[in-house]
Amino acid sequence: SQQGEEDPQALSIQEGENATMNCSYKTSINNLQWYRQNSGRGLVHLILIRSNEREKHSGRLRVTLDTSKKSSSLLITASRAADTASYFCATDPSKYSSASKIIFGSGTRLSIRP
Amino acid sequence: GAVVSQHPSWVICKSGTSVKIECRSLDFQATTMFWYRQFPKQSLMLMATSNEGSKATYEQGVEKDKFLINHASLTLSTLTVTSAHPEDSSFYICSALNRGKDRELNYGYTFGSGTRLTVV
Repeated sequence: SQQGEEDPQALSIQEGENATMNCSYKTSINNLQWYRQNSGRGLVHLILIRSNEREKHSGRLRVTLDTSKKSSSLLITASRAADTASYFCATDPSKYSSASKIIFGSGTRLSIRP
Repeated sequence: GAVVSQHPSWVICKSGTSVKIECRSLDFQATTMFWYRQFPKQSLMLMATSNEGSKATYEQGVEKDKFLINHASLTLSTLTVTSAHPEDSSFYICSALNRGKDRELNYGYTFGSGTRLTVV
């Protein structure tokens, strides 16, 4: 079963603009992760944010986490054509710090127009 | 960085035959691996958790006799789709848990590149 929903389902922006994707989840989590998937390929881990963190940066990526609202956002700044992909959030609902299975959101298909 | 190798990348088989998919962690030991299934333009659905040296844990609704999982070593897990039918055609992806030195999850999960299974 899926843990949560992402919105928008699809997003098309001009190259150079910022892209924001949102993820909502249902249960308490140990951490939340964002992944990218190019069409027909495996997933690439982008960033992990723990439940006690509120914001994290990695290059052009900025992730926020609001555990009170059970939501997270992924911001990609200065988008490039190579950012075109599907983006998934994934949550680890483990009660303990040792991670177990992760559950994926529904994903956002991002298209960057040249 | 951590690498998970998944083979084959694509396979076409006849209905009724079995197909084996391998998932190997190349530069780290993975006591736990996960198998996902993904239909076109949909998210990944967890099928089962593969534990080294013990039986796999299947998600609700996944037939354990149809999707056989073996995790015989710390670097290899296999998924065998038995008596495949056209409805089993899908994209299958494995992932492995990669812990940091402090055994906390620092690096996320490493995914294989996926296997496109087509049953004709």
